[in-house]
Amino acid sequence: DVKVTQSSRYLVKRTGEKVFLECVQDMDHENMFWYRQDPGLGLRLIYFSYDVKMKEKGDIPEGYSVSREKKERFSLILESASTNQTSMYLCASSFLSGAGGEQYFGPGTRLTVT
Amino acid sequence: QKEVEQDPGPLSVPEGAIVSLNCTYSNSAFQYFMWYRQYSRKGPELLMYTYSSGNKEDGRFTAQVDKSSKYISLFIRDSQPSDSATYLCAMTSPVDYKLSFGAGTTVTVRA
Repeated sequence: DVKVTQSSRYLVKRTGEKVFLECVQDMDHENMFWYRQDPGLGLRLIYFSYDVKMKEKGDIPEGYSVSREKKERFSLILESASTNQTSMYLCASSFLSGAGGEQYFGPGTRLTVT
Repeated sequence: QKEVEQDPGPLSVPEGAIVSLNCTYSNSAFQYFMWYRQYSRKGPELLMYTYSSGNKEDGRFTAQVDKSSKYISLFIRDSQPSDSATYLCAMTSPVDYKLSFGAGTTVTVRA
């Protein structure tokens, strides 16, 4: 069974704080993704990584950065949290093949920025 | 215009009813189609996956793809209260490992 874990289920941070969200997968997947999910907007891709130390911007990268130092771990960083970054953050992973592209998701981190 | 449009819902149906969920898309490069189910306060989990036009059945679930009309559907037969969740359609092309998602439809099955 593929397992994707996220470091926190719920986080409350203050405006301007630096926030780290961590994701770990145990299936040796090459690709890892960070999404945010907001009501009525669905899942929007923030960043993805197709290899260690490799990253590409998704659809909404502004205000975020990522780090992938090890294959199994992908971190999302909010350099200076703002209230409009209050959201559900989902991490996912998939094999490199791309064909099919089915992704396996973690349980999500609900972040509130006050 | 969004690449993937999903009927917004929400849907509320009695137990035993057939649930019909629909998505349309505009990108003709999409060849792989998925349905994810997301329970409240959980991450999405893959429910159905298909890559050809036509129907695919898995128990009470049927995924239907019409590439000529750029339209996909998910049918849930004999719906149960445990089917209450948000259903997300997703799709991708053979050369892209990013998925494009619909906004999701929340379904409630009343006992």
